[in-house]
Amino acid sequence: DIQMIQSPSSLSASVGDRVTITCRASQSISNYLNWYQQKPGKVPKVLIYGASSLQGGVPSRFSGSGSGTDFTLTISSLQPEDFATYYCQQSYDTPRTFGQGTKVEIK
Amino acid sequence: QVQLQQWGAGLLKPSETLSLTCAVYGGSFTTYYWNWIRQPPGKGLEWIGEINHSGSTTYNPSLESRVTISIDTSKNQFSLRLSSVTAADTAVYYCARMARGWTYVNSWGQGTLVTVSS
Repeated sequence: DIQMIQSPSSLSASVGDRVTITCRASQSISNYLNWYQQKPGKVPKVLIYGASSLQGGVPSRFSGSGSGTDFTLTISSLQPEDFATYYCQQSYDTPRTFGQGTKVEIK
Repeated sequence: QVQLQQWGAGLLKPSETLSLTCAVYGGSFTTYYWNWIRQPPGKGLEWIGEINHSGSTTYNPSLESRVTISIDTSKNQFSLRLSSVTAADTAVYYCARMARGWTYVNSWGQGTLVTVSS
């Protein structure tokens, strides 16, 4: 199985901050990397697919980058509605593994 | 606009079989992968497996011996069965539609909390 490791596991940030979350794959996954946002009690929502493509309707403050084994999700200016848990997921191979999640909390 | 609506028993005893069904309303049934994903309380997401419209399945090796995913194209439904459940199988179970190509989830069911307790 391809292991996906996110860092950090949690972070505290203020509204307006630039936030970066990283995801590392245990082997190269090209750019088959997706990012999801999940708020408490809600289903996850895709933000980024194919490492850097913004899903329709997702604010442009979200961006993704990377290829191979190292990937980044960036929120350019954190908004109150962005406090949530973020997961990466590789779609290069089955089983389709997720990172353990990064919880973004209010400082 | 596609909608996924799922149902099934929410409380099971150890050794019983979990059974969930997901109905798909709207959109094509043939051009996606149909998935089951679970999330234990307070924990992360775990991919269980997927099926396509032809009935071809792929399972997570960690669950493969206990999992069956089936599809009924006449009803636009797919189902999950997980046998011999234990407390470790307690989770919110989601059905989900994955786009082909980049293979990401672009539509989710509402989730079903399944609790395994004696």
